[in-house]
Amino acid sequence: QSVLTQSPSASGTPGQRVTISCSGSSSNIGINNVYWYQQVPGTAPKLLIYRNNQRPSGVPDRFSGSKSGTSASLAISGLRSEDEADYYCAAWDDSLSGRVFGGGTKLTVL
Amino acid sequence: EVQLVESGGDLVQPGGSLRLSCAASGFTFSDHYMDWVRQAPGKGLEWVGRSKSKANSYTTDYAASVKGRFIISRDDSENSLYLQMNSLRTEDTAMYYCARDIDSGTHAPGYWGQGTLVTVSS
Repeated sequence: QSVLTQSPSASGTPGQRVTISCSGSSSNIGINNVYWYQQVPGTAPKLLIYRNNQRPSGVPDRFSGSKSGTSASLAISGLRSEDEADYYCAAWDDSLSGRVFGGGTKLTVL
Repeated sequence: EVQLVESGGDLVQPGGSLRLSCAASGFTFSDHYMDWVRQAPGKGLEWVGRSKSKANSYTTDYAASVKGRFIISRDDSENSLYLQMNSLRTEDTAMYYCARDIDSGTHAPGYWGQGTLVTVSS
């Protein structure tokens, strides 16, 4: 199982706001930045959020990130059909001296 | 524009070796950390390892699952990153992505290649 814990699935209807959570520990999220990636099946991952809550240029402001303690969240507002994808959180783990990913959350837009 | 193109993926028998390459362009290669990340069929992302920048002495780090079997190297004159994979196991079957850090101060993967497929099977 993954070091970072994500719910396997999430869903919402167009226009809704959905939140995807990521739970870690004191050796990863608790002391390091969190990153979020979006992956449409069959394509490479794409950076969505960096340093907990920063958006790269080109990422819509419908996407936002937050972190509190050893957990982090990705929120998507104004849900659109093209948001249907897998979402992964990631962080550096000081105990493992390596990068760790969540197991991924499959977002379905109903 | 940052471009990363992986190559070298193939079908290999258990216990065999394979070398993946990642050709980089659009940036000063030696200034950046480079990662390898893999994804087994139908599974999530798994970090394989990284090569730090020239300023950080090209130090490498590896995931426990590949340490001692995989070696990451780079040739800055060729703007290329490599992953030498030895003693391959069936569980190493995956799409392998190379990725560049977000910027020279934020070392998580920010730019990704399209991946190259490695299949380990007899």
